[in-house]
Amino acid sequence: DAGVIQSPRHEVTEMGQEVTLRCKPISGHNSLFWYRQTMMRGLELLIYFNNNVPIDDSGMPEDRFSAKMPNASFSTLKIQPSEPRDSAVYFCASSLTRRQETQYFGPGTRLLVL
Amino acid sequence: GENVGLHLPTLSVQEGDNSIINCAYSNSASDYFIWYKQESGKGPQFIIDIRSNMDKRQGQRVTVLLNKTVKHLSLQIAATQPGDSAVYFCAENKGSGYSTLTFGKGTMLLVSP
Repeated sequence: DAGVIQSPRHEVTEMGQEVTLRCKPISGHNSLFWYRQTMMRGLELLIYFNNNVPIDDSGMPEDRFSAKMPNASFSTLKIQPSEPRDSAVYFCASSLTRRQETQYFGPGTRLLVL
Repeated sequence: GENVGLHLPTLSVQEGDNSIINCAYSNSASDYFIWYKQESGKGPQFIIDIRSNMDKRQGQRVTVLLNKTVKHLSLQIAATQPGDSAVYFCAENKGSGYSTLTFGKGTMLLVSP
């Protein structure tokens, strides 16, 4: 079992650039979550999908953030344009059941926007 | 790491001691709770879960206790080892439907050899 896979693991970019984070959930899981973790705010849910459909995106900070899930095995989180305050660790998680119960997290993408 | 900061409670124990990490949850309607462990530079790792129809659940070296009266959750780690050093988060599922997990701020556990 490969677990949740995220790429890249580290990303350093300049303000204004587009950033795309990628996630492959655990095979067979039908719910996928994107989180952001910072020292100040802790772990925040950005958006989650069920059966590839976005269910709740109320945690997405602003229009610069967008997420897609074109199929059951792939999701992206895009930031355009990026800003220094977007610097954080972004986690993807997946779960088997419709209700958000046991979520399994990926290793995260550490983003630094200069 | 991301979780070190002035706002993060810290529990320091000696190797071999038992550790108890506490969590107060917010919603009396929450019916499912999870404990996660996060080591530096890694994603949160599932440890143990418990449903609201239970008061106690045991795993390998870990026990979760749920007190619904005071909305309190605890994680007990027996014979704590240096490898247990991490940040521990509790999370609650606030009911049925498309509800999501809400995570606590976390507690850092430091185990000295």
